[in-house]
Amino acid sequence: EIVLTQSPGTLSLSPGERATLSCRASQSVGSNYLAWYQLKPGQAPRLLIFGASSRATGIPDRFSGSGSGTDFTLTISRLEPEDFAVYYCMQYGSTPLTFGPGTKVDIK
Amino acid sequence: EVQLVESGGGVVQPGGSLRLSCAASGFTFDDYAMHWVRQAPGKGLEWVSLISGDGGWTYHADSVKGRFTISRDNSKNSLYLQMNSLRTEDTALYYCAKGRQWLVHCWGQGTLVTVSS
Repeated sequence: EIVLTQSPGTLSLSPGERATLSCRASQSVGSNYLAWYQLKPGQAPRLLIFGASSRATGIPDRFSGSGSGTDFTLTISRLEPEDFAVYYCMQYGSTPLTFGPGTKVDIK
Repeated sequence: EVQLVESGGGVVQPGGSLRLSCAASGFTFDDYAMHWVRQAPGKGLEWVSLISGDGGWTYHADSVKGRFTISRDNSKNSLYLQMNSLRTEDTALYYCAKGRQWLVHCWGQGTLVTVSS
């Protein structure tokens, strides 16, 4: 099983600032099948990034993903008020599919 | 527009059973794999089960293997999760999700399962 570790656990930033979230895998993620999701209270999770760096339909270009192998990054270039949420990475390259523990981005 | 509507959640005693359903619309259901993913109160997301578009193969997380069974009825555009031998640690919001290959692509709003005596 691939174990995903996310850091930091919480990121306190102000609107307009840049957010950099890390996701590290215990072993290489097959075909870089790494996705990022945003989760807000009372809402369905939303797919942001798949294949490590491809933006999902309708996702603003301030969200970008990078990385390969075992180290991946989600960057939000300029935080908007609606971006304060919890972000999860997930690998779907091998079963069992696994999620990281999440990074909470909150308002400083 | 993709719509996924879960139902069947509720309160059940430890050791009991529950069957979750997910009604899908807005896409050609049997073209896509489907997932169940859950989130326990105050915890993160946990993938539970995956089924292929034709229902020919399934995968389950080790935490539910032998107790939960994912299935689908493509004639009814419906996904199911039969949950037996429920434990308190199965208490969670259960999401139905449309897959793209193994990617969890689009999510429903979830249905709450509470296992408590």
